[in-house]
Amino acid sequence: AQSVTQPDIHITVSEGASLELRCNYSYGATPYLFWYVQSPGQGLQLLLKYFSGDTLVQGIKGFEAEFKRSQSSFNLRKPSVHWSDAAEYFCAVAAGSSNTGKLIFGQGTTLQVKP
Amino acid sequence: SQTIHQWPATLVQPVGSPLSLECTVEGTSNPNLYWYRQAAGRGLQLLFYSVGIGQISSEVPQNLSASRPQDRQFILSSKKLLLSDSGFYLCAWSPGHGEKLFFGSGTQLSVL
Repeated sequence: AQSVTQPDIHITVSEGASLELRCNYSYGATPYLFWYVQSPGQGLQLLLKYFSGDTLVQGIKGFEAEFKRSQSSFNLRKPSVHWSDAAEYFCAVAAGSSNTGKLIFGQGTTLQVKP
Repeated sequence: SQTIHQWPATLVQPVGSPLSLECTVEGTSNPNLYWYRQAAGRGLQLLFYSVGIGQISSEVPQNLSASRPQDRQFILSSKKLLLSDSGFYLCAWSPGHGEKLFFGSGTQLSVL
């Protein structure tokens, strides 16, 4: 069965520092992978997605993620974090290619940004 | 442009009471519709999805049900709420090919 693991429940970084949020997936075929961000009390917003092609994916708000098949990972990165990036981040994998809206989410990583 | 509306934003209900959460999408036709739940301290879990009017697929057995009476309307219901139904409920839609999900702002449900 497909699954997603986000090993870090909570991460704190200083403003201006670099960020990497880890995501590992389990999926038998080529995965469809997503990163979503959720601000407090809000719905989720798509940051970026990987379906095929270039393994380094650029997203909104300066985020990028790299798909590494050998490591079953899809880590999210940002070179310089802004205070407004404080939120909860979810990695997700599509449960099947026929309907990529059926997502399996990781537990989420809460990002705190120190001034 | 497409928008998704979900209400209410917060809801406090006693155990055993009924539930009805509504979600509507504007600006698109024949969307795929989804209900997700986020329990406290946990990730999101897909509850139901629908690819058309009257077509509902349940992903996990539970105390809840969903209906799609109109193309762009998706309703989450329960006849008798349980404490374990508390959580943050998110409605979402995607185009037919489902490459991207667009989420509503969510409903925080507290069952007391």
